[in-house]
Amino acid sequence: QVQLQQWGAGLLEPSGTLSLTCAVSGGSLSDFNWSWIRQSPGKGLEWIGGINLSGITNYNPSLKSRVTISMGTSKDQFSLRLTYLTAADTAVYFCAREAGSFDLWGRGTLVTVSS
Amino acid sequence: DIQMTQSPSSLSASVGDRVTITCQASHDISNFLNWYQQTPGKAPKLLIYDASNLETGVPSRFSGSGSGTNFTFTISSLQPEDVATYYCQQYDNLPTFTFGPGTKVSIK
Repeated sequence: QVQLQQWGAGLLEPSGTLSLTCAVSGGSLSDFNWSWIRQSPGKGLEWIGGINLSGITNYNPSLKSRVTISMGTSKDQFSLRLTYLTAADTAVYFCAREAGSFDLWGRGTLVTVSS
Repeated sequence: DIQMTQSPSSLSASVGDRVTITCQASHDISNFLNWYQQTPGKAPKLLIYDASNLETGVPSRFSGSGSGTNFTFTISSLQPEDVATYYCQQYDNLPTFTFGPGTKVSIK
């Protein structure tokens, strides 16, 4: 059974950089497209960006200048990097498998931006 | 950009009631519309894909319909375990994706 495990720092300072990694177990990264999605406290879902089968990335225009999604250093991992953090970036961050719909999700990582 | 709206933003119904949520897209998105269920503290779960197709393992009391700009999500007989927030999501405007603001469903 394919599962997504994600990890990364949960408390970051303003102007800092968020780094999260998502690992695919029981399957291969090369079979699908992959995305990062976030949810601010009490709010809805916002697609951050994704990476496709060929390693091509696409980003939400509202975050594009601060976001980098890349394949991980280890096999079957992909990563999210978000720079110049502000309190507005406080959210639960999810990784997800994408095929038009998001049919497999990680458990989410709460990232709090605070001094 | 394609904007998604949902109504109502919240609803309360009795167990066994039929519940309907609507989702409207700002542009024609054909049937490129999915529905998710999210319970507190959990990741969203895909229920309906391509507007009307039930994801494997999802109870048949959930259904979806619509195309173009207007879509409907229905729970035919509300159960206590259906208390959640429901989101629509479009993927017509690839490679970007947009979610609706959500509808919170509770039990009366």
